[in-house]
Amino acid sequence: NAGVTQTPKFQVLKTGQSMTLQCAQDMNHEYMSWYRQDPGMGLRLIHYSVGAGITDQGEVPNGYNVSRSTTEDFPLRLLSAAPSQTSVYFCASSGASGGEYEQYFGPGTRLTVT
Amino acid sequence: GDSVTQMEGPVTLSEEAFLTINCTYTATGYPSLFWYVQYPGEGLQLLLKATKADDKGSNKGFEATYRKETTSFHLEKGSVQVSDSAVYFCALRNTGGFKTIFGAGTRLFVKA
Repeated sequence: NAGVTQTPKFQVLKTGQSMTLQCAQDMNHEYMSWYRQDPGMGLRLIHYSVGAGITDQGEVPNGYNVSRSTTEDFPLRLLSAAPSQTSVYFCASSGASGGEYEQYFGPGTRLTVT
Repeated sequence: GDSVTQMEGPVTLSEEAFLTINCTYTATGYPSLFWYVQYPGEGLQLLLKATKADDKGSNKGFEATYRKETTSFHLEKGSVQVSDSAVYFCALRNTGGFKTIFGAGTRLFVKA
């Protein structure tokens, strides 16, 4: 089991550029989420999905799009990058295990927007 | 809405010192409570959890007790090691949902 994988690990973008952060999990989890981590602010939920074809907004969705065409993959798209989107992005997945939804996190993507 | 508040860091301790990181929460219903740990350059990983009042979660020498009367879930370890240096996040997940609310994180430095 690879768990949750994310690519790329690092990325530098110019303002206005677009890109997709990739996330995949091989645990057959139904729930997947994207978070951003900023100093002093913990993790904030961007978007989440409760299954293939179903997505919803989290706490800070503006400027990001997601889709979930398969159980395994949950890419995050930045439509037009802004310096305020400089952050570390984490993808997480979870599935019922004994009634609990423990989250498994990927290693993160460090994004800098100049 | 639901929220988690944890003590600000960084916390700096000498090896073998006693550790407490405070965490309090606000939630409707009966949430499950978690501590996650993030080592440098890595994602978060679950350290321990408690699903109902008075439960004690424990792992790797760390403990936390779910106190409903004080809405707290403080993390403790009797003797820290240099390898415990990391950022610790308190979190809650409310009943019937899967979304997890995280605190801001507390950075721990342990000196040899």
